[in-house]
Formats: sequence, C-alpha cells, structure tokens
Amino acid sequence: DTEVTQTPKHLVMGMTNKKSLKCEQHMGHRAMYWYKQKAKKPPELMFVYSYEKLSINESVPSRFSPECPNSSLLNLHLHALQPEDSALYLCASSQDYPLLNEQFFGPGTRLTVL
Amino acid sequence: GENVEQHPSTLSVQEGDSAVIKCTYSDSASNYFPWYKQELGKRPQLIIDIRSNVGEKKDQRIAVTLNKTAKHFSLHITETQPEDSAVYFCAASSLGGSQGNLIFGKGTKLSVKP
Repeated sequence: DTEVTQTPKHLVMGMTNKKSLKCEQHMGHRAMYWYKQKAKKPPELMFVYSYEKLSINESVPSRFSPECPNSSLLNLHLHALQPEDSALYLCASSQDYPLLNEQFFGPGTRLTVL
Repeated sequence: GENVEQHPSTLSVQEGDSAVIKCTYSDSASNYFPWYKQELGKRPQLIIDIRSNVGEKKDQRIAVTLNKTAKHFSLHITETQPEDSAVYFCAASSLGGSQGNLIFGKGTKLSVKP
C-alpha cells in the first residue's frame, strides 16, 4: 500500500460544532503531517508527528487539536472554528522526520465552516 | 530560515511546446528539491525530485536541473500535453538537517492549450 488516505472528503460544519478529520497510511512511515491549503496557495504546515509524538506545532490556534493514536493513524480534532478556517486540509507522511526521503500527500478534506 | 521563490506564477503554452518553471532558494544547507503537481481539487503529487549531489535528473518528458552555486533549480517539461495543465509547486528541504520541513514556492499555474 503506497497511499495516504483521508476521511471525510468533504465536511461542512458550523462554528459551534466539533468534528474530526482522519488520516491513515500503511507504508510504515514514522512521520505524519497536517497541512492547511487555501485556494491558489501552497500547503502550509500545521503539525508534525514523529514516532507518534508531536514534534512541530507551527503556532496553530488551539481550536485545532491533533492526535496520533498509533503510527498509522493521525487525527485532527476541530472545535469552535471560524469561517476563515475553511480550506483543504492535507495529511502527509514520510519515512522519517527530519525529512530523509519523499513526503507523500493524502487527497485532503475540503472543509467549509459556516 | 529557508525562503523559496518561484517564477512565473502563471504560464501558458501551446500543446507540444516546452515549459520551464524556475525556483531559487536562500539556505545553502538545503539539499533536497522536490516538485509537486496539483490538479484542480486533487492532492499535490510528487513528480520528480533532485538531491544536491546531482545536477540533473530526467524522467521521460520531465527533467529537473540544479545549480547549487546560484541556488536555483528548474523544472523542464517537454512536448507538453493538455493533461500537464495543473499548479506546480517547487520545494526545498535539508534532509536530516535542522530544516526538516518542506518549504514550498508559491506555485505556477501551467495551462497547456490544445
């Protein structure tokens, strides 16, 4: 299996809702990432997990809460989001962190906050 | 920290022509330079990468060149086809180093006209 998968593909939520995004990889990668991508912009790094531990938090607001239950799974818990948080949320994985080899992206979750 | 500049921001070519996208980077410690292709609504897909120990790499119609002295690298697509239309992102990283993340350029929207 050489893919990163993400669910759901689309998510619409209100500002008072709580939802979660899920990411999975079965490539034996030890590093997993969350990125946020706005239209016509490059991916913007949010979090990095290495060996299931949070290595990088790029000053992301606490309404985004990452979780890495095991080496194959990565979640992003969402609570009290703002309309400006609407974006494509991409998960990625790589063999190691710091990066030693290629980084592969999942298909993303298109999030709309009303 | 690392900064990656990418030009042009948009590029329109006729089918069959060549396309060249250029990136410059600032951190001489960067040693890994991937290129991602992102079609509308899809994930960034790694199409080719180069490490600092080589000057050029080719994969069918796609090639990447690296000039370490000048700190720039370029993507060359020959015999362009309509399916090459997408946004292309360059990135830089220091494999195994302190800059363990991918630093992306702002992207180039390539349009190939039939």
